[in-house]
Amino acid sequence: EPEVTQTPSHQVTQMGQEVILRCVPISNHLYFYWYRQILGQKVEFLVSFYNNEISEKSEIFDDQFSVERPDGSNFTLKIRSTKLEDSAMYFCASSAGWAGVQDTQYFGPGTRLTVL
Amino acid sequence: GESVGLHLPTLSVQEGDNSIINCAYSNSASDYFIWYKQESGKGPQFIIDIRSNMDKRQGQRVTVLLNKTVKHLSLQIAATQPGDSAVYFCAENDGGSQGNLIFGKGTKLSVKP
Repeated sequence: EPEVTQTPSHQVTQMGQEVILRCVPISNHLYFYWYRQILGQKVEFLVSFYNNEISEKSEIFDDQFSVERPDGSNFTLKIRSTKLEDSAMYFCASSAGWAGVQDTQYFGPGTRLTVL
Repeated sequence: GESVGLHLPTLSVQEGDNSIINCAYSNSASDYFIWYKQESGKGPQFIIDIRSNMDKRQGQRVTVLLNKTVKHLSLQIAATQPGDSAVYFCAENDGGSQGNLIFGKGTKLSVKP
């Protein structure tokens, strides 16, 4: 069964450093998403991406964040200058359509980001 | 949304019993709802979904009920098994937006053998 994959599974970085989290969405999907989950809290939407541009972003997704689809398979989330409060699990998701037409979002296993 | 912190509602059931997990949603414009299961250290796993034009949908051992009048969603798991132990989240689409899912607080289901 096709699945979303993410690398690395765990990333440790120093405050102020840049990190890139990588995702390979399901191959025939067109819509891509990033969510984050701070330990013990609920999953929060960050950004959605379609046709090589951001469709929607939340208040969390400020200028420190960016997303990119550098090739036909990868989808990346970059945090330019990490802060302690960026420590969280980051989940990538993809869907064939968007939830406005009720297409299921499938989630990857997540990358645990620890900022020291 | 409010912060949950480290204290999730917990439901403890005996293996073989039925489980009912409840969720209240907030956005009257939401028209699509999903239940996800999250095991420790893993990503949310799709269980079942329902559209707002339905009030009930059944899957394998799971049933989702939607009450739009009181904005309430429930997940029923029949013959609960130890492998069902996880945190269960309901999610709604942010009505009209491009796929933004709003997740609920989560309920931890613990199945006793």
